[in-house]
Amino acid sequence: GQQVMQIPQYQHVQEGEDFTTYCNSSTTLSNIQWYKQRPGGHPVFLIQLVKSGEVKKQKRLTFQFGEAKKNSSLHITATQTTDVGTYFCAGSSSNTGKLIFGQGTTLQVKP
Amino acid sequence: SQTIHQWPATLVQPVGSPLSLECTVEGTSNPNLYWYRQAAGRGLQLLFYSVGIGQISSEVPQNLSASRPQDRQFILSSKKLLLSDSGFYLCASTGTSGAGELFFGEGSRLTVL
Repeated sequence: GQQVMQIPQYQHVQEGEDFTTYCNSSTTLSNIQWYKQRPGGHPVFLIQLVKSGEVKKQKRLTFQFGEAKKNSSLHITATQTTDVGTYFCAGSSSNTGKLIFGQGTTLQVKP
Repeated sequence: SQTIHQWPATLVQPVGSPLSLECTVEGTSNPNLYWYRQAAGRGLQLLFYSVGIGQISSEVPQNLSASRPQDRQFILSSKKLLLSDSGFYLCASTGTSGAGELFFGEGSRLTVL
């Protein structure tokens, strides 16, 4: 079945450093979504990428969708303590209504 | 805007007892609905999803079941809980934009003792 892998599992950075999490799918995706879950909270939708090679930016966050539509990345420039949380990618490979999540990358930022 | 209500927020149950978690959605109609489970410090495991009333797809074999008696109501149940059922259960719904993003409820934290 479809699998979505995410690395690294954990990342500790000093405030001001950059951070990147990578997402890889075993199958070609129709789209990739990214979510953020603050400690003790629920996942909140950040963005969706649909096109091959697509790049989108939200302030200090840059999202990329690979040319083959099987991988994606989230890059945060100059992390802040408010960036703390777990970042999940999620992908669907067909119009089945299923969205499969990666295991998430938990980001800790030291002030 | 869309709102997902989940209850109870916290539940402590003995092994072998039944379970019922309820989820209702406001602000949209005919959504796709999902139940995910998140073990401590882990990712989101898809348990069930539904594209309409009475239509349930199960993703993993287990002692849990789901039902969708109304368009915006999704229920997760068990007849006999196991220790391994402990976790954070999240209900999610697709939104009104049609883009496929999910909106999550606040979650129900279940501890089975």
